[in-house]
Amino acid sequence: LAKTTQPISMDSYEGQEVNITCSHNNIATNDYITWYQQFPSQGPRFIIQGYKTKVTNEVASLFIPADRKSSTLSLPRVSLSDTAVYYCLVGVPFGNEKLTFGTGTRLTIIP
Amino acid sequence: NAGVTQTPKFRVLKTGQSMTLLCAQDMNHEYMYWYRQDPGMGLRLIHYSVGEGTTAKGEVPDGYNVSRLKKQNFLLGLESAAPSQTSVYFCASSYPTSGRTETQYFGPGTRLLVL
Repeated sequence: LAKTTQPISMDSYEGQEVNITCSHNNIATNDYITWYQQFPSQGPRFIIQGYKTKVTNEVASLFIPADRKSSTLSLPRVSLSDTAVYYCLVGVPFGNEKLTFGTGTRLTIIP
Repeated sequence: NAGVTQTPKFRVLKTGQSMTLLCAQDMNHEYMYWYRQDPGMGLRLIHYSVGEGTTAKGEVPDGYNVSRLKKQNFLLGLESAAPSQTSVYFCASSYPTSGRTETQYFGPGTRLLVL
């Protein structure tokens, strides 16, 4: 299973764009990259998933370079409600028996 | 849809006591998971199930047992609770998605304190 590395914490001001980068040097050919968001006292929530290039949904964008050894979650114009822990996961298509969330990136939005 | 629900929300146990955590999902998902999350840490997979009647060990299975007698329910049992099992337990479910990592839907969590 590809190990991921993320910054432990980040701060940003409201209204700014926030980019969180995840390194996954050992990503396998079949692995997808998935990001989850977790608010305090809640379970994680799926944000976005991608395989290569760029993926965009109503919440975020995910940028994946050609070598796929890293990925960047981009949150446009953040608000206080985006304060949460963000997890990057890289896993096999079937059987997440050893899928781990790591410690994630604690994003704090400053008014 | 209620999604994924967990019972109870909070429980205090004494060392050596037993209890069962119930997870239920109404999305007809094939896969179900139990995770634990310790303070300031990420989630660690305890056990998982890929279908009714089947279970498998995750990263930290010791001290826990599970059962999946019905597709919609996944039970996590602690036979003899220990203080090291104080944690927040999350259940999740997902459906098979051919060729890609499936999206997991999480419950609200059960906070367990073992004294």
